[in-house]
Amino acid sequence: KAGVTQTPRYLIKTRGQQVTLSCSPISGHRSVSWYQQTPGQGLQFLFEYFSETQRNKGNFPGRFSGRQFSNSRSEMNVSTLELGDSALYLCASSLAGKSTDTQYFGPGTRLTVL
Amino acid sequence: AQSVTQLGSHVSVSEGALVLLRCNYSSSVPPYLFWYVQYPNQGLQLLLKYTSAATLVKGINGFEAEFKKSETSFHLTKPSAHMSDAAEYFCAVSSGTQGGSEKLVFGKGTKLTVNP
Repeated sequence: KAGVTQTPRYLIKTRGQQVTLSCSPISGHRSVSWYQQTPGQGLQFLFEYFSETQRNKGNFPGRFSGRQFSNSRSEMNVSTLELGDSALYLCASSLAGKSTDTQYFGPGTRLTVL
Repeated sequence: AQSVTQLGSHVSVSEGALVLLRCNYSSSVPPYLFWYVQYPNQGLQLLLKYTSAATLVKGINGFEAEFKKSETSFHLTKPSAHMSDAAEYFCAVSSGTQGGSEKLVFGKGTKLTVNP
């Protein structure tokens, strides 16, 4: 079974721009979560989608948004990029997003904001 | 709210020595606990998870962890370190509430160095 895939793997943007990251979950998984990883803050939860609905959201500004499509693929968007948005963005999929479900992570998208 | 504390941001061991990575959690409900490993420039890979069955959990690559409710701990161990174990390790807690949509709350991570 193919794992979680994320595209692109690397991105370089400038302040003020916007960016869209993509995540394809493991086949059959309906829950997709997004996390931001930085050296200072560690791994922080952004949001979780299930059946095209956002069910849970972390403590991030409204510039961070996402969506999920009917095939469970998900995208996240960051508008008006700031230097502090430079991070590794990780996507994880699970069967149904329950607490006992294992979340399988993709390789991440490394975003650099200049 | 759930939280995780990993004692020691860096741990260094010799090849063949015992690996012990410490994790303490705080949770207002029975927790589900996870250990993940991250190699450079890669995502997170699950090592093992505790979901209220056996308190001693065996994972991949010879790792195991023991859930101790009285100590609110879930330390990760491996009897004999291998060079390939060098990576960053993250402990995480999930809240265990009903209804799905659980997020993982991660510790800050422990970087393991294995010396030849």
